[in-house]
Amino acid sequence: GIQVEQSPPDLILQEGANSTLRCNFSDSVNNLQWFHQNPWGQLINLFYIPSGTKQNGRLSATTVATERYSLLYISSSQTTDSGVYFCAATTGNQFYFGTGTSLTVIP
Amino acid sequence: DVKVTQSSRYLVKRTGEKVFLECVQDMDHENMFWYRQDPGLGLRLIYFSYDVKMKEKGDIPEGYSVSREKKERFSLILESASTNQTSMYLCASSWAGTASDIQYFGAGTRLSVL
Repeated sequence: GIQVEQSPPDLILQEGANSTLRCNFSDSVNNLQWFHQNPWGQLINLFYIPSGTKQNGRLSATTVATERYSLLYISSSQTTDSGVYFCAATTGNQFYFGTGTSLTVIP
Repeated sequence: DVKVTQSSRYLVKRTGEKVFLECVQDMDHENMFWYRQDPGLGLRLIYFSYDVKMKEKGDIPEGYSVSREKKERFSLILESASTNQTSMYLCASSWAGTASDIQYFGAGTRLSVL
């Protein structure tokens, strides 16, 4: 199956700071998604982004499929952004998740 | 809004017990999935189903079985629970076809096997 690697594994930010999370995948994929898992365990889909760039408020994501990576940008971080961010690559009917980036935003 | 409901948030069972984890979705999704999440390992797919009474093994099916008798319900069964099955279990669902890549997750069931 596809290997999905995320970096950094852990990140601590001061409130208001910006950050970039990276997701590398080992082979061609049909799609790439970003999820946020809140401290209570709920996974929420952030972006569905096979290629190009999308923005949603303070968050944006870019996928460069030809180079097999995706980036998630968080600007002006808030304490509510804390949690774990996962990327998941899709090929055929299979989903492959990375091991996540654990983000802590401190006031 | 899509709603995926898992029957329990927390569950404690003893080694050797038969355990049922239930998942119900209310959006008429064809696809349903069971994952387990462990620290440092991310989410790993246990089983998935594309239709009623259909099932496919994921990456780590050993020790688990599933049942999908109705479209909205997908059950994960631990035939004889073991301590290495202590984990967070997440259910997800999605439409079939071109929208099949967008998964919606339940809140998770944290299972402890003693």
